Amino acid sequence: ILNVEQSPQSLHVQEGDSTNFTCSFPSSNFYALHWYRWETAKSPEALFVMTLNGDEKKKGRISATLNTKEGYSYLYIKGSQPEDSATYLCAPSSGTYKYIFGTGTRLKVLA
Amino acid sequence: DAGITQSPRHKVTETGTPVTLRCHQTENHRYMYWYRQDPGHGLRLIHYSYGVKDTDKGEVSDGYSVSRSKTEDFLLTLESATSSQTSVYFCAHSGGPGETQYFGPGTRLLVL
Repeated sequence: ILNVEQSPQSLHVQEGDSTNFTCSFPSSNFYALHWYRWETAKSPEALFVMTLNGDEKKKGRISATLNTKEGYSYLYIKGSQPEDSATYLCAPSSGTYKYIFGTGTRLKVLA
Repeated sequence: DAGITQSPRHKVTETGTPVTLRCHQTENHRYMYWYRQDPGHGLRLIHYSYGVKDTDKGEVSDGYSVSRSKTEDFLLTLESATSSQTSVYFCAHSGGPGETQYFGPGTRLLVL
């Protein structure tokens, strides 16, 4: 899977705002879509893995949806907090041993 | 704890010297990966392994080699370090193809 695009590249929001990002990927040979959260000076941590068209996952104030037919996933953060500041990576997989990471959306939540 | 460590965590070396980075996982996972992190490129796959002695190239493999003699260890070697290999290197492991990857803490390498 190539051509993974994430938008926007960066985003500044005020504390309490809700926000969302997009991950676009080729819909052919789709197996799974992963979202990771990556804080500065740390390593990426898994948020969600989704496999089925229409999947929705939720973890606290963060949720994600998946559309495999049109090749996109949305990540939503409700009521952003400063601790949500991080880079959010998506990585679609075709079920092979490797998958391609997008370049991420860098979120900064201002107190 | 993702059950994975990397060593060293920081290294400064000179151009032309060989460098080996070590990744060790305790989850008995079959699949392991080496990535580098560069501004504007995110995470790029260098090499990966799908079993002991089974490895393959990723998208930025030139100048790097790997070895995996035990399930738990995956070594990345820069045969002759260059300044373009200054980066942060992350190792990861997963339980199967397309499954969640668990990342090590990273190794910051500076090639002078």
